[in-house]
Amino acid sequence: DAGVIQSPRHEVTEMGQEVTLRCKPISGHNSLFWYRQTMMRGLELLIYFNNNVPIDDSGMPEDRFSAKMPNASFSTLKIQPSEPRDSAVYFCASTPTGSTEAFFGQGTRLTVV
Amino acid sequence: GIQVEQSPPDLILQEGANSTLRCNFSDSVNNLQWFHQNPWGQLINLFYIPSGTKQNGRLSATTVATERYSLLYISSSQTTDSGVYFCAVGWGNNRLAFGKGNQVVVIP
Repeated sequence: DAGVIQSPRHEVTEMGQEVTLRCKPISGHNSLFWYRQTMMRGLELLIYFNNNVPIDDSGMPEDRFSAKMPNASFSTLKIQPSEPRDSAVYFCASTPTGSTEAFFGQGTRLTVV
Repeated sequence: GIQVEQSPPDLILQEGANSTLRCNFSDSVNNLQWFHQNPWGQLINLFYIPSGTKQNGRLSATTVATERYSLLYISSSQTTDSGVYFCAVGWGNNRLAFGKGNQVVVIP
């Protein structure tokens, strides 16, 4: 299995621009998570989906952030408009049905200038 | 929310030395995982260990769920063991709460 696939690996954008991060979970996994890692706050959960349905988005920092999961094999995290404080590494993870073990993608390093 | 504390925060090891990393958590959990974040930023799964003991090569882990702690043992450390080790605990609907990590540097 290819594991959780995220794209792009690196993104540099100007403040005010829209940014879209993408994730393909492991086939057969029914839960998908978006995490953000910063030096100040460490790794924190933004949102998670179960069977493509958003279950908890309480970690989404503000309305500029939105996430979708249109089908079992694809999810997006969008930031519009982006700000320098959004600079971080964004990880996507998935867990298989009936298990709580999470598998992480390689992350997207976002820099907003 | 659940609190996860890892100790020590920083550790410098001579190659070949052994070490123990500790993770304490504040509530009952249904998941505990140890990850290694390598210098390229990847989070590598080491152990899925809500309870009991597991071993994988030079690494082993023990979780005592009733006492709310887990230990990660590194034996005969190598320079490739350098990086940050994260403990993450799960509760509720599979969400994970991460500790701040143990920064490990192994010097030749």
